[in-house]
Amino acid sequence: DSGVTQTPKHLITATGQRVTLRCSPRSGDLSVYWYQQSLDQGLQFLIQYYNGEERAKGNILERFSAQQFPDLHSELNLSSLELGDSALYFCASSVRDSGELFFGEGSRLTVL
Amino acid sequence: DQQVKQNSPSLSVQEGRISILNCDYTNSMFDYFLWYKKYPAEGPTFLISISSIKDKNEDGRFTVFLNKSAKHLSLHIVPSQPGDSAVYFCAASAVSGTYKYIFGTGTRLKVLA
Repeated sequence: DSGVTQTPKHLITATGQRVTLRCSPRSGDLSVYWYQQSLDQGLQFLIQYYNGEERAKGNILERFSAQQFPDLHSELNLSSLELGDSALYFCASSVRDSGELFFGEGSRLTVL
Repeated sequence: DQQVKQNSPSLSVQEGRISILNCDYTNSMFDYFLWYKKYPAEGPTFLISISSIKDKNEDGRFTVFLNKSAKHLSLHIVPSQPGDSAVYFCAASAVSGTYKYIFGTGTRLKVLA
């Protein structure tokens, strides 16, 4: 158990819909990262927050947005969903702006 | 543009022998490298890391080697055990920049008993 909690574990929805994925980092970790893993692909970096502020942005689509709240949990919002958005979405946390990442078990999104 | 590449999708090794997993990167700004192991239905777990000021880091059965001039790193597992069978990801980061933990596509290691 990494200490990082992601909900929901599984989500099935339809094209055009919007979903929210939630992540609670390890106690004391200030940084939260979001990654997307599509079938047979590596982990694609989406976005990082540090203590509530956006720190780095990767290949995140404009239809996706994220935020980190004062209690340090984070949400990833995916809108106007397309079939290609079906993937595993991982959240990771770290104590500071760098260093070892601790990953949650992921949220598997299926868009039909 | 794949900045971190793991060119071997899979590797099979006999139990007790050495497993060598390779990773290449293209961005000279990367200065911190990590290896993660991932079992099915679980998130990746951290194995070992190396800073660009070193060329080797060892932790038990796991050793990571970094060749900066070749932009290449490798993970050695000795001796390999069946429980090591998993997907291994290398990741690179520029601590001072915005290149945050770019991951390779992974190598699936199978250790045969």
